[in-house]
Amino acid sequence: EAGVAQSPRYKIIEKRQSVAFWCNPISGHATLYWYQQILGQGPKLLIQFQNNGVVDDSQLPKDRFSAERLKGVDSTLKIQPAKLEDSAVYLCASSGQDGQSYEQYFGPGTRLTVT
Amino acid sequence: AQRVTQPEKLLSVFKGAPVELKCNYSYSGSPELFWYVQYSRQRLQLLLRHISRESIKGFTADLNKGETSFHLKKPFAQEEDSAMYYCALSGGQGAQKLVFGQGTRLTINP
Repeated sequence: EAGVAQSPRYKIIEKRQSVAFWCNPISGHATLYWYQQILGQGPKLLIQFQNNGVVDDSQLPKDRFSAERLKGVDSTLKIQPAKLEDSAVYLCASSGQDGQSYEQYFGPGTRLTVT
Repeated sequence: AQRVTQPEKLLSVFKGAPVELKCNYSYSGSPELFWYVQYSRQRLQLLLRHISRESIKGFTADLNKGETSFHLKKPFAQEEDSAMYYCALSGGQGAQKLVFGQGTRLTINP
């Protein structure tokens, strides 16, 4: 089966600019996650969707970050305006019920550099 | 609060030697623990989960609730084990978010 797809793979922007990332989960997976991974740290959840509804966005900086999953499939994550500290890899993951397993499958990530 | 601690950022061992990557956690309920691995130029992938109680690529991990630990072990390291390893925790059954440790970079020397 095809894995989680993300684009772009790399993005360089200046601070105060805006940027958007796209994720296409594995077909049939109801749950989609966006993680932020700052260099030297483990991934940190930003937002979790179940179908097109938000389950957890407690760590999403809502003054500048937004995310949507309008039809319960693809998702976009937007940053506006970007700050230097937003430089990170943004990982998308998806999971679907396989028996009792909810294994998360990760995409390749988008590496964002804010200058 | 959920927290995962991996005390070693870097770990280097020789091929054929035993390896142990440490992971401690804090969680008030009954967590589900995982080890994820990221090989060079590959995406993050699940290595093993404690409920499976299985050995993957020679690695095992036992959940010790008394010590709140989930250390990853392999008796004889191989060069292809060199990678970044992350311990992660979720709140239990169902599709739950993962809380990751900071990761340990394992290098196997020939």
